[in-house]
Amino acid sequence: QVQLVQSGAEVKKPGSSVKVSCKASGGTFSTYTISWVRQAPGQGLEWMGGIIPLFGTPNYAQKFQGRVTITTDESTSTAFMELNSLRSEDTAMYYCARPPPEGRDVFDIWGQGTMLTVSS
Amino acid sequence: QSALTQPASVSGSPGQSITISCTGTSSDIGTYNLVSWYQQHPGKAPKLMIFEGGKRPSGVSNRFSGSKSGNTASLTISGLQAEDEADYYCCSYAGSGTYVFGTGTKVTVL
Repeated sequence: QVQLVQSGAEVKKPGSSVKVSCKASGGTFSTYTISWVRQAPGQGLEWMGGIIPLFGTPNYAQKFQGRVTITTDESTSTAFMELNSLRSEDTAMYYCARPPPEGRDVFDIWGQGTMLTVSS
Repeated sequence: QSALTQPASVSGSPGQSITISCTGTSSDIGTYNLVSWYQQHPGKAPKLMIFEGGKRPSGVSNRFSGSKSGNTASLTISGLQAEDEADYYCCSYAGSGTYVFGTGTKVTVL
């Protein structure tokens, strides 16, 4: 059973950075896209970007280009999402997600979410 | 990469059928048969309900069905039940390894 376990809640000041981790267990890590999806309080889902660990080249939503960096560490089966120049509007739940083992363009397995609060 | 457009809310009585639309463009829904639908209950992570337009993952009730026509995808819930009350999001592949979600629809069971 593939599981994604994310790092804990974060509180950051405006202008700072945050790095959230997502550790995979129970399956193959390298060949499946890990995506990051965020959800502001009371708002909808927003795809931020994704990466296939084997290839290492991330894709980002235009909105986050230049402010987000997605990386992986294959030795620990962990993906990371770093968001810079934080502002209050970045306050949200951040999820990592990936396809099922049979491989499809969907988000079938989700982490538990990491709450980021940006406040002075 | 604008969000796909969904109605803000849809409601129905138990046993009825409801349909949620999801309108995109020729750059996403219109080009790729890779629309998925997610159900999200309050405080929970989203759950995959439909993929590739109309296929159901194992374990998802056959009361949920999906379709696509042109730049618009649709999710139909038949035999509406109280447990179906949740937020629903569509999502489409948009090329070059990117995805776009819909604006979300709150389903209320009257």
